[in-house]
Amino acid sequence: EVQLVESGGGLVQPGGSLRLSCAASGFTFGTYSMNWVRQAPGKGLEWVSYIGGRGDTMHYADSVKGRFTISRDNAKSSIFLQMNNLRAEDTAIYYCARHYAHDYWGQGTLVTVSS
Amino acid sequence: EMTLTQSPAFMLATPGDKVNISCKVSQDIDDDMNWFRQKPGEAPVFIIQEATTLVPGIPPRFSGSGYGTDFTLTINNIESEDAAYYFCLQHDNFPYSFGQGTKLEIK
Repeated sequence: EVQLVESGGGLVQPGGSLRLSCAASGFTFGTYSMNWVRQAPGKGLEWVSYIGGRGDTMHYADSVKGRFTISRDNAKSSIFLQMNNLRAEDTAIYYCARHYAHDYWGQGTLVTVSS
Repeated sequence: EMTLTQSPAFMLATPGDKVNISCKVSQDIDDDMNWFRQKPGEAPVFIIQEATTLVPGIPPRFSGSGYGTDFTLTINNIESEDAAYYFCLQHDNFPYSFGQGTKLEIK
C-alpha cells in the first residue's frame, strides 16, 4: 500500500525558515518523481515544486523560486522542502504527491507564517 | 506560462442529475490533464488520468473527456457522497498548474 506521510510543519515568524519532510513507503521510491503542493486556508490547490526520481531535475512555482529548495534521499525514501524567507502568504497545508500524475497524496502538514 | 480556467466555481445538484465541470487551458497540452476530488479536511483523491481514463476504484459514473485545450469532467447520476471540491491539473509543462476548483453541493 502506497503511503506518504508529511512532517515538519508548524508556526514560524515572517522571514523564518522551516524544513518539511515526506516519508514514502509501499513503492519503489527512486523510480518516481515527487511533488509538493500547497493549499492556503479555504483556497484551492497550488503546485509548488517537483523533483525527478534521481534528484537531478527540479522545478518550482514562480511564487517560491529562490526561497524554497526541494531535495530527496532515495536511501531513506524521503523528499524534503527547505523553505526560507517565509512570508504570510506561504501559510498553507503542504502536501507531497507522487509522480507527475499526483496519483497518491499524503495527509499534509500545516505551515503557519505569523508574528 | 499557461493558464487554466475551471468553471463553474460552484454547482448545486440534485441526486440523479448529470453535471459537467469544464477546464480550459491556454495552450495545447494533448491529454496531460488529471482530475481530483477533495472533501473537507481530506487530501485530494485522484479520479481521472490522462483526460479520459478512470482511476481504478472510482465509480463509473465519473468520466472525463477532451483533448488539447478543452476538458470536461462529467458525473452521471449524482449521489450525495459526490459533494466535494473538484480540481483539474495540467502536467504537460512546468510549472504544473491546477484549476481554481469547483464546489459541488447536493440538495
